[in-house]
Amino acid sequence: GAVVSQHPSRVICKSGTSVKIECRSLDFQATTMFWYRQFPKQSLMLMATSNEGSKATYEQGVEKDKFLINHASLTLSTLTVTSAHPEDSSFYICSAPPGGRDTQYFGPGTRLTVL
Amino acid sequence: QKEVEQDPGPLSVPEGAIVSLNCTYSNSAFQYFMWYRQYSRKGPELLMYTYSSGNKEDGRFTAQVDKSSKYISLFIRDSQPSDSATYLCAMRVGGNQFYFGTGTSLTVIP
Repeated sequence: GAVVSQHPSRVICKSGTSVKIECRSLDFQATTMFWYRQFPKQSLMLMATSNEGSKATYEQGVEKDKFLINHASLTLSTLTVTSAHPEDSSFYICSAPPGGRDTQYFGPGTRLTVL
Repeated sequence: QKEVEQDPGPLSVPEGAIVSLNCTYSNSAFQYFMWYRQYSRKGPELLMYTYSSGNKEDGRFTAQVDKSSKYISLFIRDSQPSDSATYLCAMRVGGNQFYFGTGTSLTVIP
């Protein structure tokens, strides 16, 4: 199956700092990638759709100025959590649908802890 | 009403049991159906993918789609402790919008 990687796998930061999370499609090109957030024992919450070469599409209630998304190439999307606060602590997961396929593959996730 | 409903469990079964996981949905336009397995602190892993109605088998796993009842199932035969995870159903009409269930937590007891 297609492989999606994320980096870092976990990060701990102080309140007020910014954190960048990378999502890469390793063996396919992805014009679209998705960013999800997951709280413990809860399902995936779609935050935004990242489109290569254009602006991301954010879901209702997600602050686009706080969660900056950049999809600069066909294999890389980044999510930057700006001025992170403890309530931003969560598990962030990206996914991508390989071209011509009807499903999507997930990265391993990034656990963010904001102190 | 949610687009996709899934019983969160938790579900606990003895090793070797047959497990049945289910999702119901409201949008009759859904065409693509998926099951993902998610281990604790990991990203979801695609387990089964089905287009339209019917059955699909892969080893100990069988996915069923009944579009007339808007109901999908995942069966796990001869369940193993390594099957202990959260199972998410997902579906889509077309394009890139996916709808996920809340996930069912499964524990297989040795």
